[in-house]
Order: sequence, then structure tokens, then C-alpha cells
Amino acid sequence: EAGVAQSPRYKIIEKRQSVAFWCNPISGHATLYWYQQILGQGPKLLIQFQNNGVVDDSQLPKDRFSAERLKGVDSTLKIQPAKLEDSAVYLCASSLVQGDVHEQFFGPGTRLTVL
Amino acid sequence: TQLLEQSPQFLSIQEGENLTVYCNSSSVFSSLQWYRQEPGEGPVLLVTVVTGGEVKKLKRLTFQFGDARKDSSLHITAAQPGDTGLYLCASNSGYALNFGKGTSLLVTP
Repeated sequence: EAGVAQSPRYKIIEKRQSVAFWCNPISGHATLYWYQQILGQGPKLLIQFQNNGVVDDSQLPKDRFSAERLKGVDSTLKIQPAKLEDSAVYLCASSLVQGDVHEQFFGPGTRLTVL
Repeated sequence: TQLLEQSPQFLSIQEGENLTVYCNSSSVFSSLQWYRQEPGEGPVLLVTVVTGGEVKKLKRLTFQFGDARKDSSLHITAAQPGDTGLYLCASNSGYALNFGKGTSLLVTP
């Protein structure tokens, strides 16, 4: 079974530029998550989708970050304009909820460097 | 959001040594998951613990969940270089995960 795919793997941009990340979850997984992982920290949830609807975006900096999940499958995360503090690894995960406990499957992440 | 504290932050040991890492919270966990993240990869689930006092084993890894469900530990016996990575504990926040900062483990031959 194919895992969660993300692209690009690496991106270097200058501050105030725009950037977009793409995620393709595991087939059949209705729930998709975007996490931000700053160096030396654990992943922090940015946004959660259930099919193509947003469940939780309370920690998404909406003045510069946006995300969409058209047709309930692939998802894109955009930053416009980027700041130095956005340098991080952006992880996409998907899950198939079964009962009260579930497993999230993570992609390899996109490492963003903002200069 | 539940605050998860992991210790130690860094650990460097030689192959064959034993080690224990910890995850603590001031509030009760409904469930707790341990993930391992290798450099350049996303986290991979190792185990989920749900019941207070629960002990689970995964080859050389032993996971314990505190009786009060406020703490958990991961013990590795006879560590190997392949155990190198970032060990993260996470609690459920709805269906999303709330992660600790992790313990970075380096096992040298």
C-alpha cells in the first residue's frame, strides 16, 4: 500500500515570497492533517480536514497560511508571504478512524528554509 | 491543549546499553501514543497505550503507562544503531495529535 506522498521534499525561498506544498494521502483515508515541525520541537497541528471540510484550523496563522482539500483527496498548503520563522518541516498525515484510537500515517515532510 | 514534557531531551549512548525515556503531563491522558521519527522522515507509530498500568512490548522496546495515566515511559534494552531517532509521545486532541518535544537518541557502534 502506498504511503502519504508529499512534494517538494525541500524548498528554499526568500522572505515575503510565496510557497505551496502538496500532499496525497493514503487511498481511502478521510482525515488529513498538516503539521508544522520547527527544529528541536514536536509537530504542531496547523489544520485538520475531514473529507473536504475543515475540522480544526485554530492554530493556522490565517493571515498568511491557507489550505484546501478539493474533492476530499489531495491537499495543498500555501504560505503567502513567508516569514523567517516559517522555516520548518511541514508534515502531512492521514488517518482512518476506527473506534476511539487511531493511527496517523505521516509523509516524509517538506523542509522549508526561508532566507 | 495538554502539555507533554519529555525527558531527557538528548541521549547519546553506545550500542548494547539500556535506556529509558519519559513522557509526563499534569493532566490525565485518555490514550498515549509513542512515535519514532528518523532523520528526513515523518513519525511512525510504535505503540498506543490506553489502560492505566498497561505494559506493552515491541521486540526490545517496553512501554509502560502510569497507573494514574499521567505518565509513560519507553525502555530500550540493548540499544542498536538502528534505534537512533527522535522519540515522540503524543496525546489525542480530538482526532489530531498533541506532541511533546521529543527525546533525540543517538546510538553509536
